[in-house]
Amino acid sequence: GEQVEQRPPHLSVREGDSAVITCTYTDPNSYYFFWYKQEPGASLQLLMKVFSSTEINEGQGFTVLLNKKDKRLSLNLTAAHPGDSAAYFCAVSDSGGSNYKLTFGKGTLLTVTP
Amino acid sequence: DPKIIQKPKYLVAVTGSEKILICEQYLGHNAMYWYRQSAKKPLEFMFSYSYQKLMDNQTASSRFQPQSSKKNHLDLQITALKPDDSATYFCASSQPGQGNERLFFGHGTKLSVL
Repeated sequence: GEQVEQRPPHLSVREGDSAVITCTYTDPNSYYFFWYKQEPGASLQLLMKVFSSTEINEGQGFTVLLNKKDKRLSLNLTAAHPGDSAAYFCAVSDSGGSNYKLTFGKGTLLTVTP
Repeated sequence: DPKIIQKPKYLVAVTGSEKILICEQYLGHNAMYWYRQSAKKPLEFMFSYSYQKLMDNQTASSRFQPQSSKKNHLDLQITALKPDDSATYFCASSQPGQGNERLFFGHGTKLSVL
């Protein structure tokens, strides 16, 4: 089945710096890709849902890149601020294109220091 | 104001006992799910229900039994608890059929089995 590897497990950056989190997946037919943010004590919040047809996806303060050739998904926080400190999870849907049976990465704990 | 309510937030149980994890969603969704996050493992899909019917089951053990008494409820009964069942259990919901279908997660129930 699908396997997702997420790196790094921990990331510490200074305010204003960029932060990049990367996931690689194994199923070349994977269809939907997700980034979730989880603040301490809170539930997972969807940052972005990416379709397999879109390589560059702009959000507020971040960019999600999908490289299907290399089977790599990345989240780039362009100018991190302390409010971005949280755990981030990537997830990939199965090749059937379901929106619910996601394979998650292990997560990245991001700390942004002032 | 959480729209997916999981109870309790923390749960301690002894080996061999039985517990029920409660989940109610007030998003009007027709599909509900359970995911599990064990220590050092990524979030794993367990079950999906749609219109109170089991759609998908990725849990090998019959000790885990979802129960849906109402459309917006999906409880998880776990019998003969083992220390390996210690994890945070996340309930989620979605509205199938929408082009922008996405999972909404609860805050989780952290289960510790002694």
